[in-house]
Amino acid sequence: GQNIDQPTEMTATEGAIVQINCTYQTSGFNGLFWYQQHAGEAPTFLSYNVLDGLEEKGRFSSFLSRSKGYSYLLLKELQMKDSASYLCAVKSGTDKLIFGTGTRLQVFP
Amino acid sequence: EPEVTQTPSHQVTQMGQEVILRCVPISNHLYFYWYRQILGQKVEFLVSFYNNEISEKSEIFDDQFSVERPDGSNFTLKIRSTKLEDSAMYFCASGGNRVGGYGYTFGSGTRLTVV
Repeated sequence: GQNIDQPTEMTATEGAIVQINCTYQTSGFNGLFWYQQHAGEAPTFLSYNVLDGLEEKGRFSSFLSRSKGYSYLLLKELQMKDSASYLCAVKSGTDKLIFGTGTRLQVFP
Repeated sequence: EPEVTQTPSHQVTQMGQEVILRCVPISNHLYFYWYRQILGQKVEFLVSFYNNEISEKSEIFDDQFSVERPDGSNFTLKIRSTKLEDSAMYFCASGGNRVGGYGYTFGSGTRLTVV
């Protein structure tokens, strides 16, 4: 089966660091994506990992361990505008992305 | 920055009617996708399209659904005989290639409401 798990909700304070975890069990693996989605809007691309390790991109970093079926998204220096849902998605097979249910992050002042 | 454009942004239709959702992918992209998101639920893959044919489709994408690339710029999703449970946000996405994480750009979506 295809299963992607991430926490439903998280809260954090402006300026802090937050880590959003994702575990996956999929029939194929060709990379893991993190997307940001504000309510009522399209997912926007944040990061992509296909090899084990950490990918850093400004305030956002993403880590992958393929042997553990595990990834995390790290957000540093949180800003109010980072309040959104964060979607973990696995590219399974040739084309399709399988999404988790998303983690709704609320950043408080 | 190149965008994927979807029209209309919101469509209300009566149960049993046909709807066509339209998308203009990024011009040099070759791979096209439709996803949907029922309110409060996760984003679900519907179909992928490459070289003028469907390359993969999900269980959701049954005979009620069809896709077409009628010209060099548009990519459409047709839903025949809509049902209440088809109410969702429908996202079009396009990609320049199958390899790499930078290929998927999503449109802003069409919110379909079936009444």
